[in-house]
Amino acid sequence: LAKTTQPISMDSYEGQEVNITCSHNNIATNDYITWYQQFPSQGPRFIIQGYKTKVTNEVASLFIPADRKSSTLSLPRVSLSDTAVYYCLVGEGFKTIFGAGTRLFVKA
Amino acid sequence: SAVISQKPSRDICQRGTSLTIQCQVDSQVTMMFWYRQQPGQSLTLIATANQGSEATYESGFVIDKFPISRPNLTFSTLTVSNMSPEDSSIYLCSVVGTDNYGYTFGSGTRLTVV
Repeated sequence: LAKTTQPISMDSYEGQEVNITCSHNNIATNDYITWYQQFPSQGPRFIIQGYKTKVTNEVASLFIPADRKSSTLSLPRVSLSDTAVYYCLVGEGFKTIFGAGTRLFVKA
Repeated sequence: SAVISQKPSRDICQRGTSLTIQCQVDSQVTMMFWYRQQPGQSLTLIATANQGSEATYESGFVIDKFPISRPNLTFSTLTVSNMSPEDSSIYLCSVVGTDNYGYTFGSGTRLTVV
């Protein structure tokens, strides 16, 4: 399973766009990239998943360059309620290994 | 996506005792997963529970300490046995999401061992 590296923490202000980058240099051909969000006292929540190029849903966008060695989660116009830990996961199949995650703190 | 009900949501237990955590899913799922999240840390996979077979444990976790049952396709239990303060963590169950799209997690069981 590919190891992932993310910033430990990030600060932002309400209304800004936040980009969290994840490095996964050893990503395998069949691996997908998945991002989760976790609030305190809750289990992680699936945000978005992609394989290459760009994926967008109602919550976020995921940008994956051609070499797939990194990915960027983009959260448009964050609010205070987006304060959470964001995890980037890389893998295929049913075995999911969580990295350390990025603690995002959104300020007013 | 599947809805997971996990019980209890929290408990305080004496060392040396055991606690059984229940995970109920509102739909049939092949695999269920149990995770541990220590305070301020990321999630660590304990084991994968398949219906009708023995659970598969990750390195560092053993069946004697964390016995798992999977009696049907919607239910699983994880027991934390002979607890010590080091077992104080949040324990979460999860299942593969709809169309194999990500994972759905329960809200977790916050265990404190005193």
